[in-house]
Amino acid sequence: DTEVTQTPKHLVMGMTNKKSLKCEQHMGHRAMYWYKQKAKKPPELMFVYSYEKLSINESVPSRFSPECPNSSLLNLHLHALQPEDSALYLCASSQDPAGGGGETQYFGPGTRLLVL
Amino acid sequence: RKEVEQDPGPFNVPEGATVAFNCTYSNSASQSFFWYRQDCRKEPKLLMSVYSSGNEDGRFTAQLNRASQYISLLIRDSKLSDSATYLCVVNGNTNAGKSTFGDGTTLTVKP
Repeated sequence: DTEVTQTPKHLVMGMTNKKSLKCEQHMGHRAMYWYKQKAKKPPELMFVYSYEKLSINESVPSRFSPECPNSSLLNLHLHALQPEDSALYLCASSQDPAGGGGETQYFGPGTRLLVL
Repeated sequence: RKEVEQDPGPFNVPEGATVAFNCTYSNSASQSFFWYRQDCRKEPKLLMSVYSSGNEDGRFTAQLNRASQYISLLIRDSKLSDSATYLCVVNGNTNAGKSTFGDGTTLTVKP
């Protein structure tokens, strides 16, 4: 089973709201990722958690705050977003980010976010 | 120059055609390579991993040329259901966990 789940599927929020995106996997993967994808563009990496520690932050604005409560869960807390943050937010996981084939990433279905 | 460059699309082919996509990468130390497909408004799904000398899965063949730093994807006997965007993904040997995506190549297979 290579399933990554994400909730909610769709989210509409105002610029003053606080919301959270959730991601879950039960494959025993030790790396989890957040990507942002705009229309007709490839996914852009935002954050990587490796063994529940933040290992990569691609200079993402502080209005996005990731959290990894345990090895199966990944959250993305959103606060004071801008309309240009509207996008598809994808979560992915991989067995091990360090290579040896374990870095194959499996994506969740994404959360489609609209900021008004 | 982009780290990963793909053939600019779109590719429009009839059913049954053979189509090939190329992808070049700039980091000679890159370790692993993948092709993903992404349907409209869906998440990327792994199509094939490409290690060492490449591999084949049914109608799909992926090749890796380390000397020239490119990978390719060949689709034989195209089906309507092959219509999608194909993403080339490259992982380097540093900054473990960081994948670099190509911009994608859009394929439309027509009846």
